[in-house]
Order: sequence, then C-alpha cells, then structure tokens
Amino acid sequence: SQQGEEDPQALSIQEGENATMNCSYKTSINNLQWYRQNSGRGLVHLILIRSNEREKHSGRLRVTLDTSKKSSSLLITASRAADTASYFCATDDTGGFKTIFGAGTRLFVKA
Amino acid sequence: GAGVSQTPSNKVTEKGKYVELRCDPISGHTALYWYRQSLGQGPEFLIYFQGTGAADDSGLPNDRFFAVRPEGSVSTLKIQRTERGDSAVYLCASSAGTANEQFFGPGTRLTVL
Repeated sequence: SQQGEEDPQALSIQEGENATMNCSYKTSINNLQWYRQNSGRGLVHLILIRSNEREKHSGRLRVTLDTSKKSSSLLITASRAADTASYFCATDDTGGFKTIFGAGTRLFVKA
Repeated sequence: GAGVSQTPSNKVTEKGKYVELRCDPISGHTALYWYRQSLGQGPEFLIYFQGTGAADDSGLPNDRFFAVRPEGSVSTLKIQRTERGDSAVYLCASSAGTANEQFFGPGTRLTVL
C-alpha cells in the first residue's frame, strides 16, 4: 500500500490564486519530496525537504514538513494555467531504500 | 545533457508473452528505480538498484517480474507470462544516490491484450 496520501484528490482554482496540497504519511522518514506530472508521463522533481527541516522555498513553491504530525504541505503561489498537473508527495522511509508515492492531487488552474 | 530514456515508449503484447523494458539512466547516476503507474494512481515502487545490485526488490509483485543492471548503468525490467493486470506505465528513474532527487524517464506504456 502507498504510504503518502494527498489531500485534496482534486483542486480547481482561478489563475492568480494560491493552491495548497497536503500529504500525510505513516512511518518515520529520511526525506519527503514533491513531484509534478503532466499528461500521465514523466514526473518532474519540484522540491526535497529533509526530516530535520521544517520549511523550504523554491520560486513560487513553499513546502512545510511536520514530522510530529507526519504531514507536509505544498503551496503554489500566484498559480498559472501551466501549473495544471498532478502533484505527488513521495517519502523515503528510514528502514530501506523504497520511495513511496501517494495517489496525487490533480490541480486544474483556469485561465 | 541527456536525461533518462526508456524504450520502447509503447509495447502491446498478448497475454502469456514475455516482455523486456529498457531504461538508460543519466550517466554517472548510481541509483536506479523502477516503478509502475496505473491510471489515476501514483507510481508504485518495484525495485531499487545501487550500482549493479538490487538493494531493494520488495516491490516486485511476484516472481514473473525480474530486473537486472549488469554493468551498473542500463537496466532491463523483464516480465514473464504477462497478464492483463500487468498493463500500466512502467517508469524508470535515476539519481546520484539515495535521498537525492530522482530524474524520471518518460515511461513505457505496456498493454497486455
């Protein structure tokens, strides 16, 4: 079973608005990553946050990590139509080498 | 530089046949991952290589699935006696090591009729 669970499953917003996606996981992790996928192929890495970090920024992206709640959030500010994609969180657990992906949040940004 | 490439991009086969899917990772990347992804789902971990050895193959669903990486670069995922349930997009990713960002290939869409 997949460890990461994203919330919401789908999100539709207007261009210029902010989009927030959440991810929860079950076991201790080394790091958590967020990926974007367009058209069902080719995931693109967005950002990696390590277990000892609480917040990270990259351009319009802001990721937070709360290891006590086993959750993370991805905020995309000033969204654009080109941000329309599926977004996945992925965790590397401390016990091995697996990377476990959630089912994803499907974001639709209306122009 | 070149990214991760996968061949073929599409593969249609009949139930019971054998298939091989190839992954060419980014040059110098020691870590290589295979995943499969069904429609509407996230990638499902299959196997992880560090160099030539499979460090974690716990995601392989059964013994019909096997993967090799004999020289520590190119990897082949082999599926014997394919079943309709094996239909999915098979993704390969490479990275400079564990706990690093993974670079994904475009995937191979496998359809078992």
